[in-house]
Amino acid sequence: EAQVTQNPRYLITVTGKKLTVTCSQNMNHEYMSWYRQDPGLGLRQIYYSMNVEVTDKGDVPEGYKVSRKEKRNFPLILESPSPNQTSLYFCASSFSNTEAFFGQGTRLTVV
Amino acid sequence: EDQVTQSPEALRLQEGESSSLNCSYTVSGLRGLFWYRQDPGKGPEFLFTLYSAGEEKEKERLKATLTKKESFLHITAPKPEDSATYLCAVHGGTSYGKLTFGQGTILTVHP
Repeated sequence: EAQVTQNPRYLITVTGKKLTVTCSQNMNHEYMSWYRQDPGLGLRQIYYSMNVEVTDKGDVPEGYKVSRKEKRNFPLILESPSPNQTSLYFCASSFSNTEAFFGQGTRLTVV
Repeated sequence: EDQVTQSPEALRLQEGESSSLNCSYTVSGLRGLFWYRQDPGKGPEFLFTLYSAGEEKEKERLKATLTKKESFLHITAPKPEDSATYLCAVHGGTSYGKLTFGQGTILTVHP
């Protein structure tokens, strides 16, 4: 089954404790992205990747890091999480100008 | 900078009452406009892609249209199961990786 898998689905952490949210796709897509979704602000792109070792900033990259060492994986790293990074996060993948497939989301709470 | 504005923010319909959702966009060279449906707590689910003005796509009770400045999602004779948030997004500029979303329209269909 074609899918984008994120882990964990739910995460509660404390301010400053480094965390990684994993994302994996099985569709051989070149493009992968991370988004955060907040009430009243909609979906905002954090980072995207066009292929292995090629990444670029989206609209809200501050406080986040990404890496693309393999085509299928695109982890999101928060080196020092803060409460304003509490949000619902989505990973997505696609071919160049086709529709994006989204994961089920990761609900992150930073206290 | 690409911008996407959706209206109305929320729409309440009676079952069978047809209506339209609007997506206005400003991009430097439209490469694609996408409509997604999102159910609470889940990732967006792809509905349509439109690439050029005048293009139309249909799926069951939904029809998407595109002009040079806006797109409409027409809902004909909606049912309660059509209740969801409908998101519009655009690929613009020089990179297929950059995807900008509107804030969405929350549609509620009452039986």
